[in-house]
Amino acid sequence: GDSVTQTEGLVTLTEGLPVMLNCTYQSTYSPFLFWYVQHLNEAPKLLLKSFTDNKRPEHQGFHATLHKSSSSFHLQKSSAQLSDSALYYCALSDGGTGSKLSFGKGAKLTVSP
Amino acid sequence: EAAVTQSPRSKVAVTGGKVTLSCHQTNNHDYMYWYRQDTGHGLRLIHYSYVADSTEKGDIPDGYKASRPSQENFSLILELASLSQTAVYFCASSGTEEVFFGKGTRLTVV
Repeated sequence: GDSVTQTEGLVTLTEGLPVMLNCTYQSTYSPFLFWYVQHLNEAPKLLLKSFTDNKRPEHQGFHATLHKSSSSFHLQKSSAQLSDSALYYCALSDGGTGSKLSFGKGAKLTVSP
Repeated sequence: EAAVTQSPRSKVAVTGGKVTLSCHQTNNHDYMYWYRQDTGHGLRLIHYSYVADSTEKGDIPDGYKASRPSQENFSLILELASLSQTAVYFCASSGTEEVFFGKGTRLTVV
C-alpha cells in the first residue's frame, strides 16, 4: 500500500538557517503529496500541496517540489523563523486532494534564537 | 473557514469502560475521518466515511467502531477502553479539496 517516509523526531535549528525536511513516498498510482503543519495544541493545517502541472507550491516562505523520478517531496525554507517551530507531517493521497491521507511519522521542528 | 468541532476536548476513561467521541462538521463535506496521534507514530487513520450510514475501516480499526448517522456527524466508539488507546484523536472532513481537522480530543485511559 501507500506509504510515506519523512524526516522524523526532533529537528533543532537556529533562527535564520535554512530548513529542509525530507519526504519520500511509495505509491502504486501517481499520488498527491502534502505538507501539514501542527502548532502546539492546535489542529493540523495544510501548508503545501503538490500540483498536477508540476508547479512548485509556496506558502509562508516554505516550498516543496514533487520529483516523481525520485518519489520525493522535500520541504524547504531559506531562513527559519521562531514562529516556524511546530510539528510537520508529510502526507499522500491517491484519490485527489480531498480524500484520505497517509501520513509520515512527523518531525518536530524547534527554531531557537 | 471550514469548521470541524469535536467533543469532548479531553476525557479520562476507566479501563473496560465505553467511550464515545463525537465530531460535527458544518462544511457540507461528504468525507469524514478519525485519526489517532501518538508520538513516534504520527497520524494514523482509524475509520472513515464517505456517506451517511456507511463507514470504512482505516489502517488501525481494531478496538474501535464508528458511526455516521448523518452527513454532519461522525462518532468514534471504544466499546472496551484499554490503556493502549490513550492518545489524541482527530476528526477531519473533506470535500474535493483539502482535508480540514478538528482541534482534537485528548483521551486518557486509566
